[in-house]
Amino acid sequence: QQQVKQSPQSLIVQKGGISIINCAYENTAFDYFPWYQQFPGKGPALLIAIRPDVSEKKEGRFTISFNKSAKQFSLHIMDSQPGDSATYFCAGAGNTPLVFGKGTRLSVIA
Amino acid sequence: DAGVIQSPRHEVTEMGQEVTLRCKLISGHNSLFWYRQTMMRGLELLIYFNNNVPIDDSGMPEDRFSAKMPNASFSTLKIQPSEPRDSAVYFCASSFLSRASEAFFGQGTRLTVV
Repeated sequence: QQQVKQSPQSLIVQKGGISIINCAYENTAFDYFPWYQQFPGKGPALLIAIRPDVSEKKEGRFTISFNKSAKQFSLHIMDSQPGDSATYFCAGAGNTPLVFGKGTRLSVIA
Repeated sequence: DAGVIQSPRHEVTEMGQEVTLRCKLISGHNSLFWYRQTMMRGLELLIYFNNNVPIDDSGMPEDRFSAKMPNASFSTLKIQPSEPRDSAVYFCASSFLSRASEAFFGQGTRLTVV
């Protein structure tokens, strides 16, 4: 059972554009929703996270939007840069470890 | 802090051989997670420990896989005998027990079984 569904699988965005990645979760016991960023040859690293008591969290160019009733959340990368090119994973967790989506490979082209 | 340290970074082995992957937790962390990453299945949780005790090993694919925490800062994942379908990148991650969701990952071990 895939508890976190992520889309798209891959995304190409022009430099300066907005990158949007979407996730949907099934487990209503989840109370923590992080996004991880992974560069080739590296482990995933926490980028930004949200808890369901807020609908939005912003850190620099990165924003999470959260819709509890729809059980969906998304990552927005404003002013996307070539250095943002990486694979992004959404995840959910409650009192159990992180369950990850399958990832989105983002390519930001100049 | 050096972060989560995994060794080796790359391992190539022949089918049927025993493989041991190693992980050193971040000092003070007391939860340890082993994940496997493949193109087809993404990041899958294999097993996790709290305070050196295995809590859930339902993700371990077969009896060929075993994991231990001989002490609070170190863990091993062993595959015996290894098979080509075990080829993947294996990550360990650690966290504070009270904030188990905020896990820090190592750089991974890329395993190739030929």
